[in-house]
Amino acid sequence: ETGVTQTPRHLVMGMTNKKSLKCEQHLGHNAMYWYKQSAKKPLELMFVYNFKEQTENNSVPSRFSPECPNSSHLFLHLHTLQPEDSALYLCASSQKIPRDTLNTGELFFGEGSRLTVL
Amino acid sequence: AQKITQTQPGMFVQEKEAVTLDCTYDTSDPSYGLFWYKQPSSGEMIFLIYQGSYDQQNATEGRYSLNFQKARKSANLVISASQLGDSAMYFCAMREPWSDSNYQLIWGAGTKLIIKP
Repeated sequence: ETGVTQTPRHLVMGMTNKKSLKCEQHLGHNAMYWYKQSAKKPLELMFVYNFKEQTENNSVPSRFSPECPNSSHLFLHLHTLQPEDSALYLCASSQKIPRDTLNTGELFFGEGSRLTVL
Repeated sequence: AQKITQTQPGMFVQEKEAVTLDCTYDTSDPSYGLFWYKQPSSGEMIFLIYQGSYDQQNATEGRYSLNFQKARKSANLVISASQLGDSAMYFCAMREPWSDSNYQLIWGAGTKLIIKP
C-alpha cells in the first residue's frame, strides 16, 4: 500500500457541480497538506492541518472547503469552481517537527488529482 | 521577492552524463532546510535529498548529491550517471519557519530535465 493515496486521479466537473477529493495517508504522520499545481507556476500551499486542526489557509477562495476528520484522512470539497481552478491538486503528509530541529520533516506526496473545470 | 529561484526551465542531457540543476534561495532565518523533489509525468512528488542549514557536509543519496554553498545561498542538485528514468520535473524547496512551532515549504518553479538516449 502506498504511503499517500489520492482519489480520484482524474476529475472533470462543470462549474455548478459539487465534488470532493480524498486523500489518505498510511504513514502515521500528524500533518497533512493540500497543494495546487498549475502549469508553469510554483506549487501553491492551500491548507495545512496539524493533528486535525487547520493551521493555515493561504487565502484560498471559499469554493474550496477542506475537511480533516482524523489524522489519516483529508478531503477537499469543491463547489461552483471556475475554469482557472483546473490544476493538479496534490495531497501531502509529514511529521510535524518543532523549529530548530535536525529532523528533515520532508513531505510525502500522493500522485495528485487532475481536475478539469469546464 | 522570490525566495527560491530555479533558473533553468528545461535541460537536455545525454544519458550517462552528470547533470547539475541550479537552485538559489533567499532567507534571513539561520535555521532552514533545503529539499529537492522529482516529479515524473505520473504526477507524484518524490523526495530526493535534504540539506539542513547547519549541516557541515553536503548531502548525498545514491546518485544524488547536493552542492550546498551557504555563503552564495545556492543548493544545486547533482545527478551522476544520468539514466532515462531521470527524465522528470525537478523542484527545489526551502523549509522556512513561519511561527514558533510550524514551518512551510517555499517552492521553486522547477526544471524540466530530459535525458537523451
